[in-house]
Amino acid sequence: EAGVAQSPRYKIIEKRQSVAFWCNPISGHATLYWYQQILGQGPKLLIQFQNNGVVDDSQLPKDRFSAERLKGVDSTLKIQPAKLEDSAVYLCASSLLFRGISPLHFGNGTRLTVT
Amino acid sequence: EDKVVQSPLSLVVHEGDTVTLNCSYEVTNFRSLLWYKQEKKAPTFLFMLTSSGIEKKSGRLSSILDKKELFSILNITATQTGDSAVYLCAVEDTTSGTYKYIFGTGTRLKVLA
Repeated sequence: EAGVAQSPRYKIIEKRQSVAFWCNPISGHATLYWYQQILGQGPKLLIQFQNNGVVDDSQLPKDRFSAERLKGVDSTLKIQPAKLEDSAVYLCASSLLFRGISPLHFGNGTRLTVT
Repeated sequence: EDKVVQSPLSLVVHEGDTVTLNCSYEVTNFRSLLWYKQEKKAPTFLFMLTSSGIEKKSGRLSSILDKKELFSILNITATQTGDSAVYLCAVEDTTSGTYKYIFGTGTRLKVLA
């Protein structure tokens, strides 16, 4: 099966600019996650979708970050305006089930550098 | 506050050595624990553990969970240079019905030829 697709792979922007990341999960996976991984740290959940509804966005900095999954398939994560501390790898993951136990499958991530 | 702590933070061994990586956790409503291997890109899934005392095994890798003492270990025997990676532990917490995975900071393993 095709894996989780993410684009772009790398992005360099200046602070205060905006940026958007795209993710297409594994076909049939109902749950989609966006994680932020700062260098030397483990992934931190930003937002979790079940189909096109938000399940958890408690750690999403809503003053600058937004995400959507309009048709319950692919998703975009946007940062506007970016800050230096947003430099990180943004990982998208999907899982087959929501309340059932199933592992996360990750995409290759987007490495964002904010200068 | 929920937390997942991995130790050691980093480890350097020689090919053929055996390593044990540790993951301890404190979460409100535990359901499962996952191990991942992360090289330069996507974390790849290794094991999912839900029950205490049942060893999961895949080739030279094995893992076990202790739900009473709240920890898991990942063993790698006869290490190879290809095992060099960051190993991540994630714990699933089902508080408030959100089914959220909390990751540790990882153990960076370097295997020398």
